[in-house]
Amino acid sequence: AQTVTQSQPEMSVQEAETVTLSCTYDTSESDYYLFWYKQPPSRQMILVIRQEAYKQQNATENRFSVNFQKAAKSFSLKISDSQLGDAAMYFCAYGASGGTYKYIFGTGTRLKVLA
Amino acid sequence: GAVVSQHPSRVICKSGTSVKIECRSLDFQATTMFWYRQFPKQSLMLMATSNEGSKATYEQGVEKDKFLINHASLTLSTLTVTSAHPEDSSFYICSAEQGAGNSPLHFGNGTRLTVT
Repeated sequence: AQTVTQSQPEMSVQEAETVTLSCTYDTSESDYYLFWYKQPPSRQMILVIRQEAYKQQNATENRFSVNFQKAAKSFSLKISDSQLGDAAMYFCAYGASGGTYKYIFGTGTRLKVLA
Repeated sequence: GAVVSQHPSRVICKSGTSVKIECRSLDFQATTMFWYRQFPKQSLMLMATSNEGSKATYEQGVEKDKFLINHASLTLSTLTVTSAHPEDSSFYICSAEQGAGNSPLHFGNGTRLTVT
């Protein structure tokens, strides 16, 4: 069975600094997708970034980038130039393609941004 | 972008009554929708996968007779909590997939259910 692990329950970062959130996963699939979602206090789930497993190039979205290590089954999120609005719960998620599949979420990392 | 509307956002009901939560994809067709439950400060727990025109697939430990899911059209899935009890109080979130495979999930705003 697929699993997603986020080993950091909480992280803090100074405003304008960089922080990296860790995520590891386990799967026997070769084709899958990985996502980072942000959940602010409003509890709306917001897609931050996604990565296709078949792509070697790490995905980037403005201040957000990932370090995807397929062999190590690691998918970390780097937030550069952290802003107060980045404070939220961040969930790493895994989804497999084809057939009947499901998205598996990690336990989340609460990110605090210090002014 | 793809929008998923979930209604109601908050509901309070008495123990023993039933509550229906609606999840609509507003600008795309969703063959598959997912229902999650989230306890305070915890992750999203998948309850069931809702497929248009067929029976929902429930995760282990989720009572299908208690949490009725209907996916009557490509834009609407409903979750009915039957004979609600205080332990059913939780935050329920639906999500829909636009396309398949490489499409990320689009989430509704969630429903806070309180059973008194």
